[in-house]
Amino acid sequence: EVQLVESGGGLVKPGGSLRLSCAASGFTFSSYSMNWVRQAPGKGLEWVSSISSSSSYIYYADSVKGRFTISRDNAKNSLYLQMNSLRAEDTAVYYCARGFGGSYGGVEAFDIWGQGTMVTVSS
Amino acid sequence: QSVLTQPPSVSAAPGQKVTISCSGSSSNIGNNYVSWYQQLPGTAPKLLIYENNKRPSGIPDRFSGSKSGTSATLGITGLQTGDEADYYCGTWDSSLSGGVFGTGTKVTVL
Repeated sequence: EVQLVESGGGLVKPGGSLRLSCAASGFTFSSYSMNWVRQAPGKGLEWVSSISSSSSYIYYADSVKGRFTISRDNAKNSLYLQMNSLRAEDTAVYYCARGFGGSYGGVEAFDIWGQGTMVTVSS
Repeated sequence: QSVLTQPPSVSAAPGQKVTISCSGSSSNIGNNYVSWYQQLPGTAPKLLIYENNKRPSGIPDRFSGSKSGTSATLGITGLQTGDEADYYCGTWDSSLSGGVFGTGTKVTVL
């Protein structure tokens, strides 16, 4: 079964750090772009970051650039998101999603989604 | 602030049809494929349409997509109570070098 399972969410104080992980199974992880998408409580979807299959292309939303770092370990079928200098506005459910389409690492669609992990930034 | 604009809500009776619009620009919809997602309450989004009008395996043909210029449209026919959900369009924005989603549309079955 094709599956993505996120972990690492929790409560953190403003200015703190958190590392999210996403474990993939049921498909050839190294062949796909991987992505993080978040959703603040009661709000819409917001794309956060994308990393191409071989990590050659990495993109970030302006809202997280310089604070978040996406990475992957194809040997471990795992995706990561290191989040530093966290702010209250980073509070959201963070989804890991498999991507496809686009050129130069761009992603036009997300076909597999994890169940999400909640990140709460509050003092 | 979403780059793609959708109506906040649409509604129709069971068995009827609804359409959801998604308006963008030349840097996103105008030059990239559009995808559509369904998000049922409390669940992760699910891909409904990719490459403007293609359905993944298992998605019924009641769901359809189209694109013209810098706008896209999702159509749902034979509306069912189980279709009550939030729907989002999405694509890549070549100017921003990032993914973009629509503002989201809540579908209500009357």
